[in-house]
Amino acid sequence: DAMVIQNPRYQVTQFGKPVTLSCSQTLNHNVMYWYQQKSSQAPKLLFHYYDKDFNNEADTPDNFQSRRPNTSFCFLDIRSPGLGDAAMYLCATSRDAPGQASGANVLTFGAGSRLTVL
Amino acid sequence: RKEVEQDPGPFNVPEGATVAFNCTYSNSASQSFFWYRQDCRKEPKLLMSVYSSGNEDGRFTAQLNRASQYISLLIRDSKLSDSATYLCVVKPLGGRNYGGSQGNLIFGKGTKLSVKP
Repeated sequence: DAMVIQNPRYQVTQFGKPVTLSCSQTLNHNVMYWYQQKSSQAPKLLFHYYDKDFNNEADTPDNFQSRRPNTSFCFLDIRSPGLGDAAMYLCATSRDAPGQASGANVLTFGAGSRLTVL
Repeated sequence: RKEVEQDPGPFNVPEGATVAFNCTYSNSASQSFFWYRQDCRKEPKLLMSVYSSGNEDGRFTAQLNRASQYISLLIRDSKLSDSATYLCVVKPLGGRNYGGSQGNLIFGKGTKLSVKP
């Protein structure tokens, strides 16, 4: 009964070869997030969608793009992966919008997609 | 000062020990606090929210000290299965009505706990 599902779990790509990671959720949550996490580092927020409203973090490279065609699905596109983009990519959802004062804003994560760049 | 700081550890403790972690945060207007647990090469999972009055869930106790801007996590009677990285997570005041942060959760780098037999 996985609620946030990421595919693929492991992705190997070549330097510069585009990659798409997918995330689906059965929680009917309004917000979907993409995080990048490198070894021994905190998860780093790349961007999030509140419904169809896209919110990019200021320091997210242009190389990273996202699409959310419907409530259930969200995609992370890495247009030209570099060696420094090798990481675990975590999708997460929350019921409430990040800026709301009320609500738990608790994140539910998927199991992650581990990207290796050769 | 980093927004959320944790001692990375590792904390190596024997089974049955009591261990405590602290986490400091820089934004005094932060409004929500959480502890997440992350097992090796797995995703973070919510362990517990941290309330102003402090809260307890079995062997786990979380406390918030707003004056000193830190939260703590106490684990009693440690089990082997408690071995993991514990991430401190802070939600700053944010959103469209506030400049800067959108109120997204800010993660610490985590404190690694290893419980030995």
